[in-house]
Parts: sequence; C-alpha cells; structure tokens
Amino acid sequence: AQSVTQLDSQVPVFEEAPVELRCNYSSSVSVYLFWYVQYPNQGLQLLLKYLSGSTLVKGINGFEAEFNKSQTSFHLRKPSVHISDTAEYFCAVSKGSQGNLIFGKGTKLSVKP
Amino acid sequence: DAGVIQSPRHEVTEMGQEVTLRCKPISGHNSLFWYRQTMMRGLELLIYFNNNVPIDDSGMPEDRFSAKMPNASFSTLKIQPSEPRDSAVYFCASSGTGASNSPLHFGNGTRLTVT
Repeated sequence: AQSVTQLDSQVPVFEEAPVELRCNYSSSVSVYLFWYVQYPNQGLQLLLKYLSGSTLVKGINGFEAEFNKSQTSFHLRKPSVHISDTAEYFCAVSKGSQGNLIFGKGTKLSVKP
Repeated sequence: DAGVIQSPRHEVTEMGQEVTLRCKPISGHNSLFWYRQTMMRGLELLIYFNNNVPIDDSGMPEDRFSAKMPNASFSTLKIQPSEPRDSAVYFCASSGTGASNSPLHFGNGTRLTVT
C-alpha cells in the first residue's frame, strides 16, 4: 500500500531564503507524485507533478521538486521564497491505476519578513 | 472555466440534523472525489466516482454518510444524522480521466460545523 510522509509539520523561513519541504513515500509499484499548495480558506492547487522522464520537475511560482527513486523521496524546493508563499503544502502519491491520491499530513510554510 | 464549485461555503447545524453538501465538477471531467480535511487526520478520501459510478467508497466513515452522482455535472454528499465529530472541511475534486497521472482540481470546500 502507498503512503506519504511529510517530515516537517511547520517550516518557518525568512523572505528571500531558500526552502526545502521534505516528502518520502512508500510504494511497491511505480508511482506518480504530486505537490499541492493550499492557501487559507481555499482548496488545493497543483504545484507540480512527476509522471516519468526527467527526475527534476519544475512547477508554478518558482518551485521545483526532485524525484529520487533510491531514497523514495520527492522533496520540494524554492531558491528564494516570498511572503506570498506562506501556505500549507501537501505531497501526494497516486493509488494504483486509479486517480485517487494519498496525501501527506501537510507542511505549513511560514515566510517572515 | 469556473473550476469546481461547491456549496455552501459554510454550514452550521445542530447534532442530529441532515446535512447535504453539493459539488459541480469541471465540465468534461470524468472523475469526482470527495475528501474530508481535519487537523487530526489531514486529508482523507471519502469516495471516488468515475463516469458517475462509485468506484471506491471505502473511506466513507459509516452508514450516516452517503454520496450520489446522478449525472456528470452534479454530486452530493449527505450526512444523516450529523454528529459533532463530523465537523471538518469537505472538499470536492474532479479530474479529466481518473487515471493515476491526471491531477485533481479542487473546489474551495465546505466548512461544516456540527454543534
């Protein structure tokens, strides 16, 4: 069975600093991986996805993530964060051949001036 | 495209009352999902439809919960009777094909409070 672990529940960081949000997954089969962002009082929005091919995936708002099969990780990175990046970030893995996703518990990113 | 539309945005009800949450998926999308989000349990999949047919309802907590999708443009999630522990944000999402590589598009959620 698939599962997703987000190691940090909260990550405080100063504006313009780099950030990495960690995600590890477990699965006995090939998976598709996603990062979503949730701003306050809104639904989740897709940031980026890994389906196949290049292990470095670029998404919206300057975020990128690297798929590492040997470490079963899919960490999210941004070289320089803005106040507007303050939100909760969710890593997700697809479940089998169907489209329902298994989500991690989320990481709250707080960007301070 | 208007995106996934959920109503109401907020619902406050008393224990024992029936609650109905509504969702209009993105036009042309074949799959629809209901998720529940709480602080304690995070995002949990309740039920998943493909072409209006329920595929996986293993996440529905108990018989008090039911979901329907009478047509491709409308779904409901009903709780009868409601209990305080049902308080959560309920999200509806849709995807184009329902395949595992198809991303989900979420609505803004319904915040349910049961007193």
